[in-house]
Amino acid sequence: EDQVTQSPEALRLQEGESSSLNCSYTVSGLRGLFWYRQDPGKGPEFLFTLYSAGEEKEKERLKATLTKKESFLHITAPKPEDSATYLCAAHGGSNYKLTFGKGTLLTVNP
Amino acid sequence: DAGVTQSPTHLIKTRGQHVTLRCSPISGHKSVSWYQQVLGQGPQFIFQYYEKEERGRGNFPDRFSARQFPNYSSELNVNALLLGDSALYLCASSGGGNTEAFFGQGTRLTVV
Repeated sequence: EDQVTQSPEALRLQEGESSSLNCSYTVSGLRGLFWYRQDPGKGPEFLFTLYSAGEEKEKERLKATLTKKESFLHITAPKPEDSATYLCAAHGGSNYKLTFGKGTLLTVNP
Repeated sequence: DAGVTQSPTHLIKTRGQHVTLRCSPISGHKSVSWYQQVLGQGPQFIFQYYEKEERGRGNFPDRFSARQFPNYSSELNVNALLLGDSALYLCASSGGGNTEAFFGQGTRLTVV
C-alpha cells in the first residue's frame, strides 16, 4: 500500500529564517510527486510536480527536490504570507489516486 | 479561465439524510476525482472518473457513490449520513495520466 509521511507536523519560523519540509514516500512505480499549499478552510493550491529523482523546481521562495525515497520543500527567507499547511502527495503505479501525507503546518512570525 | 468550481460551499445535514455535492472541472479537463479531508488529516481518495467511467475507488462504504456527466461535471452522493461523514469534500480535475490535479475550494459538510 502506498504511504506518504511528512515531517515535521508543525514548524514555526521567524520571518527570514530558512528551513525545509520533508516528505518520505513508499510508492510502487512513482509517476509523480506533488506539493500543494492549503490555507484554512480552502482547497489545496497546486505548487509543483516532480517526476524523477534529481529533479528540482522553484517558485519564488520555494524549491522542491526529489530523491528515490523522499522529497524536500525548501523555503528561503519566508514571509508571514507563506504561513499555511503544505501537503505532499504521491501518484504511484497503476493507481489513479493521489496518496497524501498529513501535511506540515508552517507558521512564519513577523 | 475558471478553475474547479464546487457547490455548495457549506451545508448542514442531519444523520440519516442524503447529500449531493457538485463539481465542474477546468475547461478541457476530462478527469474528476473526489477526496474527503477531515480536520488535521490529508485528503483521502474516494473516486476518480475519466470520460464518464469510474477509474478508481478508495476505501469508502457503498453509501458513497458518484457519477460524471457528458460535460465532464460530476456529482458525489452520500446516503444515510453519519456524524463521521463531516468533512471537507474536495474535487480535483486533471487532463488525465500524469498531469497535475487542480482542486476546488471544497464543500464543508457538517452532519448533526
